[in-house]
Amino acid sequence: EVQLVESGGGLVQPGGSLRLSCAASGFTFSDYAMSWVRQAPGKGLEWVSSISGRGDYTYHADSMRGRFTISRDNSKNTLYLQMNSLRAEDTAVYYCAKGWATTSFNNWGQGTLVTVSS
Amino acid sequence: QSALTQPPSASGSPGQSVTISCTGTSYDVGGYNFVSWYQQHPGKAPRLMFYEVFKRPSGVPDRFSGSRSGNTASLTVSGLQAEDEADYYCSSYVGNNNLVFGGGTKLTVL
Repeated sequence: EVQLVESGGGLVQPGGSLRLSCAASGFTFSDYAMSWVRQAPGKGLEWVSSISGRGDYTYHADSMRGRFTISRDNSKNTLYLQMNSLRAEDTAVYYCAKGWATTSFNNWGQGTLVTVSS
Repeated sequence: QSALTQPPSASGSPGQSVTISCTGTSYDVGGYNFVSWYQQHPGKAPRLMFYEVFKRPSGVPDRFSGSRSGNTASLTVSGLQAEDEADYYCSSYVGNNNLVFGGGTKLTVL
């Protein structure tokens, strides 16, 4: 059974940084692209970033490019999202998902809440 | 990249059929076969309902169907059931491994 468990969310001040993690199990992690998708409170889904199975290709939404960095450690079956220069509008539940744009997201974690506030 | 356009709400009585639309452009919905649909119940993670326009993952009831005409994709639920009440989101590939979601549609079973 595929399991994706996010962690690392919390309260951070504007301009601060946070690193999210997603521990994966139940599949061969390195065989699959992975992504982050976020959802602001009461709002819709927004694609954030994607990374290839080997980690050699990364893609970011325009509004997050330069501030967010996606990475992975295939030896630890873990996906990461480093978020810098955080803004109030980055407040959201961040979901880890298996897949990327051309494969769809066929498994999702439970999400981790990031709150950017002073 | 602008979000795809979905109606904010849709509704139907148990047993009826309802269709949710997702309108984009020839640069997204109309240009690629990578259109997906997700169902999300309150407080839960999204669930994949369709990929590549009309392909249904195992476990998704065949009461649900996906289609596309031009730049508009559609999700149809036949024989509505109470548990179908949820938010539904479409998404589309937009090139360069980027993706855009629709704004979401809240489906109410009356």
